[in-house]
Amino acid sequence: DTAVSQTPKYLVTQMGNDKSIKCEQNLGHDTMYWYKQDSKKFLKIMFSYNNKELIINETVPNRFSPKSPDKAHLNLHINSLELGDSAVYFCASSRQYGVTDTQYFGPGTRLTVL
Amino acid sequence: GEDVEQSLFLSVREGDSSVINCTYTDSSSTYLYWYKQEPGAGLQLLTYIFSNMDMKQDQRLTVLLNKKDKHLSLRIADTQTGDSAIYFCAGELGANSKLTFGKGITLSVRP
Repeated sequence: DTAVSQTPKYLVTQMGNDKSIKCEQNLGHDTMYWYKQDSKKFLKIMFSYNNKELIINETVPNRFSPKSPDKAHLNLHINSLELGDSAVYFCASSRQYGVTDTQYFGPGTRLTVL
Repeated sequence: GEDVEQSLFLSVREGDSSVINCTYTDSSSTYLYWYKQEPGAGLQLLTYIFSNMDMKQDQRLTVLLNKKDKHLSLRIADTQTGDSAIYFCAGELGANSKLTFGKGITLSVRP
């Protein structure tokens, strides 16, 4: 069973569109994250949610809106997509927040904006 | 400068040892991690070391931590072609314990 899963794996869309990426974890973890990996493979955190509450928001444009319907899910909605949004987006989860805990990553969603 | 720094590329022959290095600026991390990313795949946690340890061995992997120099290394013994991937070091930096990654090093193993 996949611990952290993301859908879709690939997403190709036009500039200006709105799209969502979904993430689910079956590990029973309290904390979930979204990371962006750019074309140079540089990974940077975007958001962190703990028990459905936003904990970290790293100067991400407000076109990006995470939504956590429950502890097991953290979705990422992106409005008015721009070329610079093209990247691989990784979801991750960890047991708790505020306590150093290993993060487990999903397989990534490759977003291409044309 | 970057909080966590790595060199970019390493090529080794199959069967040799590989050593991947990482330096960091913030010494407040409780744990330091090594992740592996195979081509087109997600990040896989390889190993981690608690900040009060100097060394951790896990099968073919040896992690060395030099807290004085803020230097972390990963040694892979008997490197195999399946070890070809990007390797990221990461630490929990800052007040929110954000996981901050180095830029990654691409390890290429040649037969």
